[in-house]
Amino acid sequence: DTGVSQNPRHKITKRGQNVTFRCDPISEHNRLYWYRQTLGQGPEFLTYFQNEAQLEKSRLLSDRFSAERPKGSFSTLEIQRTEQGDSAMYLCASSLVPGMNTGELFFGEGSRLTVL
Amino acid sequence: SQQGEEDPQALSIQEGENATMNCSYKTSINNLQWYRQNSGRGLVHLILIRSNEREKHSGRLRVTLDTSKKSSSLLITASRAADTASYFCATDPNYGGSQGNLIFGKGTKLSVKP
Repeated sequence: DTGVSQNPRHKITKRGQNVTFRCDPISEHNRLYWYRQTLGQGPEFLTYFQNEAQLEKSRLLSDRFSAERPKGSFSTLEIQRTEQGDSAMYLCASSLVPGMNTGELFFGEGSRLTVL
Repeated sequence: SQQGEEDPQALSIQEGENATMNCSYKTSINNLQWYRQNSGRGLVHLILIRSNEREKHSGRLRVTLDTSKKSSSLLITASRAADTASYFCATDPNYGGSQGNLIFGKGTKLSVKP
């Protein structure tokens, strides 16, 4: 399977713990995105990388959140000192560098976080 | 923040009927895309329409775009129970070029009854 892979699919943690999610994009894609989705809402942009460079971060990405993409391949999203409000589905997507008539994102199945 | 607003929020129809979902957005765009999401799963790209296009077809899908009204519609013809899912519009805002950072709406939840 050459799609976007996310691990773990589900994570239950206690408030105050740190969690880390991993995303493996489609191999030839140089763009990698993280989105967050809460129940009944659309995905909200968190951050994106082009190769290893983190080009944009949303204001939603507080200082407890950090994302990396070493060597421009897989990416990790770490949440420190989790809060109940962090409970959500964390979606990773990848794409080629978009143009006017391209820019389709390929999503993984998501990592669902529950903070107790 | 979410730019797109889908209408209706929920839609229930019988198999064989057509389903129409609408999306409104706020800023100038490069393109607008529609995605589908089955419950608890990731999103799947359905169709992309560029800002200089007015209508596009793909199989049973028809998308229209009216940039003067900043709105789009997605029509699914001859719906099937397997079309049951949430549908999201996503815009690629034109900030002097494409950043590729899509902004999603809240979605329309479609239920197709057999």
